[in-house]
Amino acid sequence: DTGVSQDPRHKITKRGQNVTFRCDPISEHNRLYWYRQTLGQGPEFLTYFQNEAQLEKSRLLSDRFSAERPKGSFSTLEIQRTEQGDSAMYLCASSFWQGWIGETQYFGPGTRLLVL
Amino acid sequence: QKEVEQNSGPLSVPEGAIASLNCTYSDRVSQSFFWYRQYSGKSPELIMSIYSNGDKEDGRFTAQLNKASQYVSLLIRDSQPSDSATYLCAVVNAGNMLTFGGGTRLMVKP
Repeated sequence: DTGVSQDPRHKITKRGQNVTFRCDPISEHNRLYWYRQTLGQGPEFLTYFQNEAQLEKSRLLSDRFSAERPKGSFSTLEIQRTEQGDSAMYLCASSFWQGWIGETQYFGPGTRLLVL
Repeated sequence: QKEVEQNSGPLSVPEGAIASLNCTYSDRVSQSFFWYRQYSGKSPELIMSIYSNGDKEDGRFTAQLNKASQYVSLLIRDSQPSDSATYLCAVVNAGNMLTFGGGTRLMVKP
């Protein structure tokens, strides 16, 4: 396994359109995270899954955003009715959580979204 | 107050020098600390994790943790131009979420 993969790597869309991003985690990892990063800032947590269960969702995440991980493997992040403020790098990370402090997240290459 | 604070830089050091990057955090119960490196336009890449007070060394990198002072640092020895990047400090907070600082931009000049 070569790591976390994300598709597409770049997406340009017009305001009001819907977009969907995909993340494939490292195969044995049970946790999958979505982050958003804008220029000059650190990644900002959006949501995460343990297996297929979505356990946490940021209060900053509007209802235009939805994420799924239907079979506990890949995940999708959908943004409906995109706005220019959604332009950012969307990062996916995965980890193997064993219930102790040694969890380490590994990031995919990201999807760069530009909303015109 | 931000949960994880870093000086945005840029921090400029000559090639071969030691680069010292600092990070403070606000959540006293944090137990896990990470340093990621991020090249421009790329995603974060894990450099080191540290969980206990003291120093942890890995090659040219040394992470230092002081929980009493809520302070984490990263030292890069023999800095190379290829080390020029943004360094992100990340802390697992009480809610078990990984929270990132804004990053410090390091420039290593030949």
